[in-house]
Amino acid sequence: EVQLVESGGGLVKPGGSLRLSCTASGFVFSSYSFNWVRQAPGKGLEWVSSISTGSDYIYYADSVKGRFTVSRDNAKKSLYLQMNSLRAEDTAVYYCARDIVVVVDGTRTQYPDYWGQGTLVTVSS
Amino acid sequence: DIQMTQSPSSLSASVGDRLTITCRASQSISKYLNWYQQKPGRAPKLLIYAASTLQSGVPSRFSASGSGTDFTLTISSLQPEDFATYYCQQSSSPEYTFGQGTKLEIK
Repeated sequence: EVQLVESGGGLVKPGGSLRLSCTASGFVFSSYSFNWVRQAPGKGLEWVSSISTGSDYIYYADSVKGRFTVSRDNAKKSLYLQMNSLRAEDTAVYYCARDIVVVVDGTRTQYPDYWGQGTLVTVSS
Repeated sequence: DIQMTQSPSSLSASVGDRLTITCRASQSISKYLNWYQQKPGRAPKLLIYAASTLQSGVPSRFSASGSGTDFTLTISSLQPEDFATYYCQQSSSPEYTFGQGTKLEIK
């Protein structure tokens, strides 16, 4: 069974730092790209960052670029999000989500299929 | 960035109703469009990928279509467990973007 378990959330003051982790099981971790997606209280989903299998392709949303760093450890089957210079608007549930690559009608496509349960980050003084 | 716009933002319907949710992309995304269902306090669940392919285990009352910039998600006969929020998401660019969501409520 595919499982993704996030941890590391909590209460942090503005300007502070936090490191989120996502631990995977039930599949070959090193074969998949991953995403971080967040959801502010009562709001919609916002993609934050993605990382490829070998960490050679990394992308960030403009809202977190320069402050957040995504990384992975394939040996530990873990994904990380280092969050620095946190702001009140970063308050959200953070989900890790696995990307799957499939071919449909001869076209390669990639999308998040499995998601963790999320971890809450609250930025407040 | 590719912007995704869903309509309506909210919808009231009854069990047994047929309904359609629309998603529009700010530029052509071919068929790189996915649909998710989210219930309160839960993670999103994949329903449809590649614009019209039903994810394994998802009931056949869910269907979707579209390509380019205009997409639809249809639920043929609403069931009590379908009342949730639905999101479209584009995977045409590496920087994924989501629609703002459509909240489906019981009438």
